Amino acid sequence: EDKVVQSPLSLVVHEGDTVTLNCSYEVTNFRSLLWYKQEKKAPTFLFMLTSSGIEKKSGRLSSILDKKELSSILNITATQTGDSAIYLCAVDSGGGADGLTFGKGTHLIIQP
Amino acid sequence: GAGVSQSPSNKVTEKGKDVELRCDPISGHTALYWYRQSLGQGLEFLIYFQGNSAPDKSGLPSDRFSAERTGGSVSTLTIQRTQQEDSAVYLCASSQRGGRFTEAFFGQGTRLTVV
Repeated sequence: EDKVVQSPLSLVVHEGDTVTLNCSYEVTNFRSLLWYKQEKKAPTFLFMLTSSGIEKKSGRLSSILDKKELSSILNITATQTGDSAIYLCAVDSGGGADGLTFGKGTHLIIQP
Repeated sequence: GAGVSQSPSNKVTEKGKDVELRCDPISGHTALYWYRQSLGQGLEFLIYFQGNSAPDKSGLPSDRFSAERTGGSVSTLTIQRTQQEDSAVYLCASSQRGGRFTEAFFGQGTRLTVV
């Protein structure tokens, strides 16, 4: 059974801090790893990672995949209160579900 | 349409009643997924459609749950004889299959409350 584990499950930091969110996976046939930000109901896409060691960057957010360690990290620098959300990691394994296996998410709270 | 559209956005129903949730995917997206998110939990896969067929229904929690998709577009998720544990946000996503890239776009979800 494919598995995606995120840590920490929740994190409270002060505005301006840097945070690192972790995602590890065990899947039968890895195709890509995706990060989503979920505020209220709908997750919005952040990054898709397919190759190991290549950092993807968007403003203060960046992410990298380590296929040897079967993991990925999402970094957010100079955090702002608007970064408060649940960050979801998902893996596309193209396996039986032919869909995305999601982790439980990291609930990030940025305090002013 | 421009994005994935789900309706209703909120639904309160009495235990034992049937409910129908609707998802209208992005035009041209052949893959459609239903997920469920209970309070404090990650996304739980329910069912996947490729076109009108559902090659994977393994996530449907019981035979009270069914889904269909017609014309390769709109999908409906039906829950019969709802139970309180069915209360959750039901999210629909669509993506373009083909190749290795499977970025999925989500709708705003339907919050179902069974009382």
